[in-house]
Amino acid sequence: EVQLQQYGAELGKPGTSVKLSCKVSGYNIRSTYMHWVNQRPGKGLEWIGRIDPANGNTIYAEKFKSKATLTADTSSNTAYMQLSQLKSDDTAIYFCAMELRGLDYWGQGVMVTVSS
Amino acid sequence: DIVLTQSPALAVSLGQRATISCRASQSVSTSSYNLMHWYQQKPGEQPKLLIYDASNLASGIPVRFSGSGSGTDFTLTINPVQADDIATYYCQQSRELPLTFGSGTKLEIK
Repeated sequence: EVQLQQYGAELGKPGTSVKLSCKVSGYNIRSTYMHWVNQRPGKGLEWIGRIDPANGNTIYAEKFKSKATLTADTSSNTAYMQLSQLKSDDTAIYFCAMELRGLDYWGQGVMVTVSS
Repeated sequence: DIVLTQSPALAVSLGQRATISCRASQSVSTSSYNLMHWYQQKPGEQPKLLIYDASNLASGIPVRFSGSGSGTDFTLTINPVQADDIATYYCQQSRELPLTFGSGTKLEIK
């Protein structure tokens, strides 16, 4: 069974960074793309970017190019996203998702709250 | 970017058919694939893939869900609607990056 495990919630102060993890079990992430999607409170889904864990290649949505950094560790089968220079507008749930046909498997999401 | 347009809400009676539409600002089809996917999201949960490539049922999804369409116009049908289907439904295209989602259609019971 494929599972994407995201842990806990994050509270960050404005101007700081947070690093989110997404551990995959039941599938080798080298064989897929890992995506990150956010959802602001009461809003819809927004694509942040994707990483090819086999070679580290990344593609970002334009608005997240200076905000998000995607990495992956194939030895631990884990994808990461660092969010930098946090602002209140970054308060959202952040999901990781694994692409096979569509975005077939999703983590449960991590709530990131930016507050001083 | 490809913009996907969905109606905000749809009210349907239990046991009836629900038809949710999604229109793309440009074609999301290739010669081989219709690169539109549908997700269900219940409050407090992550999205769940229902339909991939416009008309293929994802693993474990009940057959009362179906999808159709090509080019710029796509439809998700739920027939018959059950109480457990109350959720928000999103379309998403993978024809080109950035991936984009529709704004979601909230399914309500009459």
